[in-house]
Amino acid sequence: SQKIEQNSEALNIQEGKTATLTCNYTNYSPAYLQWYRQDPGRGPVFLLLIRENEKEKRKERLKVTFDTTLKQSLFHITASQPADSATYLCALALKAAGNKLTFGGGTRVLVKP
Amino acid sequence: GAGVSQTPSNKVTEKGKYVELRCDPISGHTALYWYRQSLGQGPEFLIYFQGTGAADDSGLPNDRFFAVRPEGSVSTLKIQRTERGDSAVYLCASSLGDRGHGYTFGSGTRLTVV
Repeated sequence: SQKIEQNSEALNIQEGKTATLTCNYTNYSPAYLQWYRQDPGRGPVFLLLIRENEKEKRKERLKVTFDTTLKQSLFHITASQPADSATYLCALALKAAGNKLTFGGGTRVLVKP
Repeated sequence: GAGVSQTPSNKVTEKGKYVELRCDPISGHTALYWYRQSLGQGPEFLIYFQGTGAADDSGLPNDRFFAVRPEGSVSTLKIQRTERGDSAVYLCASSLGDRGHGYTFGSGTRLTVV
């Protein structure tokens, strides 16, 4: 069966350190992968998109890698700040599924001052 | 408007009743999506529209759920004979039609069936 797995345990990290989140998938052939941030009581907010032929994408303090051999994406927040505390979701768009995204369960990040 | 608007923000209904949830997408976004999210889980796909037509409705759990987008803009998700298990946050999102664009989500409608 198809699965998208994110660490369900919260990630506690000290301010200024780098937070690294993992998104693993099985039995998918994604065309691209997206990362979203979600705050309590709000809808997810789009952060980054990385395509199957790209290895790495950066945006400000965020970096995403995509390894289609390992079937894994890593999401890094460098120089983390308390304002980065939120749940982070990865989502896959399959080659045969048009614009439809399938989401993982998300990982909660708590950045402590 | 500037963002995706969902109304109502909260809805409490009795088991067996009919509910309608409304989504007003970003102007010019041809694709519209409905997801539902339970506490502690990621959004679960329900249906998506490209223009007026449902491009993929494979996530609708059963025939009590139905969605329309008659003019290619506003969409309504309709749930008949609601059950307690339907309680969740229903999220709507829109995007430019072509692939490779992120979604813009609304804040959701929290549906509680009592």
